[in-house]
Amino acid sequence: EDQVTQSPEALRLQEGESSSLNCSYTVSGLRGLFWYRQDPGKGPEFLFTLYSAGEEKEKERLKATLTKKESFLHITAPKPEDSATYLCAVQARRNTDKLIFGTGTRLQVFP
Amino acid sequence: ETGVTQTPRHLVMGMTNKKSLKCEQHLGHNAMYWYKQSAKKPLELMFVYNFKEQTENNSVPSRFSPECPNSSHLFLHLHTLQPEDSALYLCASSQGEGGRDIQYFGAGTRLSVL
Repeated sequence: EDQVTQSPEALRLQEGESSSLNCSYTVSGLRGLFWYRQDPGKGPEFLFTLYSAGEEKEKERLKATLTKKESFLHITAPKPEDSATYLCAVQARRNTDKLIFGTGTRLQVFP
Repeated sequence: ETGVTQTPRHLVMGMTNKKSLKCEQHLGHNAMYWYKQSAKKPLELMFVYNFKEQTENNSVPSRFSPECPNSSHLFLHLHTLQPEDSALYLCASSQGEGGRDIQYFGAGTRLSVL
């Protein structure tokens, strides 16, 4: 069964304190792995897509990496505005209509 | 503004009511999706429409009835819901060509069933 597990469930950081969020996945034939950011009361906002092991993508203070079993979202010198829930999802080759989501990591960054 | 607009943003309904959720996308996409998001649970895919044809029904109860009149509009008709149906309902759209396809989400409708 395809599955996505995110850890930690919640993370509290001081402003400037770098850290990483983990997304472990099990899928039969990975097509792509997606990272989204979700603010309270809003829908998920697309951040990155990764397609093959070894691939990396960056956007401002965020960097996403991918291996054959997991993805990391590295946050460098976070700011309070980075506070949000970060969602990971995978797409399998056999059903590209479907994204399988994890439960997310709720990140709080304090000044 | 995400390009995917959902109305209403909030909805309170009784178990015997009938209501509809509306989604409109301004991105020129051909695929649209309904998801349910409950606290502490992953987003659950409910329905998928590709070029107005339903291509996925993820074992959703019949009290939820989708409608896709064209590639830009998607509705979710609700009737005789249960309290456990209270959740955030999210609409998304994508280009619909399959493969490496990014889904863009609306802000959602927060539904409360009394």
